[in-house]
Amino acid sequence: DIVMTQSPDSLAVSLGERATINCKSSQSLLYSSNNKNYLSWYQLKPGQPPKLLTYWASTRESGVPDRFSGSGSGTDFTLTISSLQAEDVAVYYCQQYYITPPTFGQGTKVEIK
Amino acid sequence: EVQLVESGGGLVKPGGSLRLSCAASGFSLSSYNMNWVRQAPGKGLEWVSYMSSGDGIMSYADSVKGRFTISRDNAKNSLFLQMNSLRAEDTAVYYCARDLFVRQWPTTFDYWGQGTLVTVSS
Repeated sequence: DIVMTQSPDSLAVSLGERATINCKSSQSLLYSSNNKNYLSWYQLKPGQPPKLLTYWASTRESGVPDRFSGSGSGTDFTLTISSLQAEDVAVYYCQQYYITPPTFGQGTKVEIK
Repeated sequence: EVQLVESGGGLVKPGGSLRLSCAASGFSLSSYNMNWVRQAPGKGLEWVSYMSSGDGIMSYADSVKGRFTISRDNAKNSLFLQMNSLRAEDTAVYYCARDLFVRQWPTTFDYWGQGTLVTVSS
């Protein structure tokens, strides 16, 4: 199985400041035939189902605010929240869908400083 | 509006069985691949099972293989998860989730239900 490792486990950021979450996979998620990285990011708030933020590493899901952006390629990926809002307090997960089983990172908790 | 509503969770003794249901609305289940994903208390997300839309290809996490069975009833627009020989470590909130892409394997998940809690305890 592909192991997904996120860092940090938690971070506290002031409102309006940038939050950066990293995700590293144990093998490359870049499929050479289509040059796509099989990596998604989700947001999970208490009592709510996970919300898909980005897929193909950097494609934003419809309706997701543009302060959320995904980047990276191969084995190293980043989710950036450019200007943290109060409603962004949540746990964020990366997920690979390069091979079965799809696997998730352990999660990164984002709080307000 | 796409909606997924899970039901069937509850308290069950180790070794027992439960059948989870996921009722879909706002889209035709027969046109999408579907999955079950779980989250144990205080833990992260774990993919459990997948079923393809057309030919009914199924796959399972090693942790549930041989004990869980995924199925669907397209006429009722519903997905199911039959869980047998339950263990304490199966305690989790179980979500049904729709695949964003139609592939012969699970991909990324664009719609999720609210989840149903399964507690395995004596």
